[in-house]
Amino acid sequence: SQQGEEDPQALSIQEGENATMNCSYKTSINNLQWYRQNSGRGLVHLILIRSNEREKHSGRLRVTLDTSKKSSSLLITASRAADTASYFCATDGIGQGAQKLVFGQGTRLTINP
Amino acid sequence: KAGVTQTPRYLIKTRGQQVTLSCSPISGHRSVSWYQQTPGQGLQFLFEYFSETQRNKGNFPGRFSGRQFSNSRSEMNVSTLELGDSALYLCASTSISGQETQYFGPGTRLLVL
Repeated sequence: SQQGEEDPQALSIQEGENATMNCSYKTSINNLQWYRQNSGRGLVHLILIRSNEREKHSGRLRVTLDTSKKSSSLLITASRAADTASYFCATDGIGQGAQKLVFGQGTRLTINP
Repeated sequence: KAGVTQTPRYLIKTRGQQVTLSCSPISGHRSVSWYQQTPGQGLQFLFEYFSETQRNKGNFPGRFSGRQFSNSRSEMNVSTLELGDSALYLCASTSISGQETQYFGPGTRLLVL
């Protein structure tokens, strides 16, 4: 079964607005990563945040991690039509192996021009 | 560097047949992981190979198997195909430096009729 849950399942916003997606997980983790997937194609790595970090930025992306609540959020600022995609969080549980990622169900983001 | 490549990109098989999918990791990467993505179950970890050895395995039946060659290329095989095996199969590679980021290929879309 999937460890991660993402909220919302679908999000539709206007271009230029900010988009926030949330992810929750169940067990202790080493890292949490966010990936983007366009139309059932391969996954593109966006950002990795370690369990001892609370916030990380990369361009228009801002990720937060709250290990006490076992949750993370991904904020995309000033959204663009090209940001339309599905976004997944993925965790590697402590003792599970760094390459054994557990993915959430994803948030489908639609940016309307 | 060239990215992760997967062949074939699309495949149609019938129930009971077997299939072999191939993955070539990024040059210098020695770890290859495989994932299955379906609308119902999402992204699920199949197995991971490192230096020709299976290092981690997900909860899939024995019909799903894999191997890795000395050049780090990996294959996965599914025997006695079932309708439920229809999915996008993704492979990902990771560098030997221990970085956790996995780089994904475009996937092989398998349809079982």
